[in-house]
Amino acid sequence: NAGVTQTPKFQVLKTGQSMTLQCAQDMNHEYMSWYRQDPGMGLRLIHYSVGAGITDQGEVPNGYNVSRSTTEDFPLRLLSAAPSQTSVYFCASKVTPSGAYNEQFFGPGTRLTVL
Amino acid sequence: GIQVEQSPPDLILQEGANSTLRCNFSDSVNNLQWFHQNPWGQLINLFYIPSGTKQNGRLSATTVATERYSLLYISSSQTTDSGVYFCAVTTSGTYKYIFGTGTRLKVLA
Repeated sequence: NAGVTQTPKFQVLKTGQSMTLQCAQDMNHEYMSWYRQDPGMGLRLIHYSVGAGITDQGEVPNGYNVSRSTTEDFPLRLLSAAPSQTSVYFCASKVTPSGAYNEQFFGPGTRLTVL
Repeated sequence: GIQVEQSPPDLILQEGANSTLRCNFSDSVNNLQWFHQNPWGQLINLFYIPSGTKQNGRLSATTVATERYSLLYISSSQTTDSGVYFCAVTTSGTYKYIFGTGTRLKVLA
């Protein structure tokens, strides 16, 4: 049981490039989410999914796309990278979108720099 | 939307000291978690505590949902407790976690 995994760990992009951050979980969790963490700040929700085929926007969705074709995978796409997207990106999952004893588990993060 | 504020923003302790971290939220919540982000950036679950009191070793947490706050207690602090402590909440009818701004803790040997 690997938990929540993210690839790559580090990435450097040039302005205007596109890329996909990968996130996978092997716990059969329905709920998955993406956050960004800027230096010295808390995490802000980008997008989330309550199950395969269902996604919705969080606090800061602009410039990012997501899809959820399987329960296990929840990739985050940067369409045209901008320096403002330099951040650490975390993926998380939990058993169901709501309910008791339903804590969220985080992956190790991807550190992205956009030049 | 709901506002989540944590205090104090920064805290420096000597090893062995006790501390209390606070999380205030501006609306009713149905989910509250405390996390520790270690100096390597890893986020570690501490407590899932939308109400009531829980204890895990030297750490304990209490959430008073009716008064819209949660407290995290750290007793006999160790240098490995250093890092940033976040609370995160969701409100009824949404699946969006909102994080507080965090408390940065440094424990000195």
